[in-house]
Amino acid sequence: SAVISQKPSRDICQRGTSLTIQCQVDSQVTMMFWYRQQPGQSLTLIATANQGSEATYESGFVIDKFPISRPNLTFSTLTVSNMSPEDSSIYLCSVLRGVQETQYFGPGTRLLVL
Amino acid sequence: SQQGEEDPQALSIQEGENATMNCSYKTSINNLQWYRQNSGRGLVHLILIRSNEREKHSGRLRVTLDTSKKSSSLLITASRAADTASYFCATPPTGGFKTIFGAGTRLFVKA
Repeated sequence: SAVISQKPSRDICQRGTSLTIQCQVDSQVTMMFWYRQQPGQSLTLIATANQGSEATYESGFVIDKFPISRPNLTFSTLTVSNMSPEDSSIYLCSVLRGVQETQYFGPGTRLLVL
Repeated sequence: SQQGEEDPQALSIQEGENATMNCSYKTSINNLQWYRQNSGRGLVHLILIRSNEREKHSGRLRVTLDTSKKSSSLLITASRAADTASYFCATPPTGGFKTIFGAGTRLFVKA
């Protein structure tokens, strides 16, 4: 399994501000993923982050709104910029681990934008 | 397009009963994974079944996979109140890493 931690675990923010979420993994991984889960919904992939290259964003997500950093093989950050109430969600980071590529998730960051 | 559509969307049972959840997907896969999510928390990985496997067990969990029908089922036997959670199936497409999640089944186990 993988041990993944996220900071903060939750936050309440004002609209127009930005929040940076940190994800730390207990060992090196090639790819890290950021997901969003809106209230009562399933998970939607925001972007895939590889160390040393630009993140790859999914349709509907742009770098200006969700800039991602991946400075090394155990750490990544996701920033939610210029927040609006529609950004209120749980944000989860995830990694693939093992020969069978089991996908593991962090505990999530619960964001409420007022 | 959406992979991993679960049904039912919600399921309410009594403690001790079995709970069965189904998942369908649309494209070829290497494996299929099931997760549990307690309210507002992260996803806990339950079980992975490879495309060449038909059935897999883990404790009170039994997963089946039918690649000809592009479907999987998760059976939880002798359910407990602590099993109350949302359950998701997830399928990374063959040759890719973009895991797609279904809408999930909300299971409520009454004590």
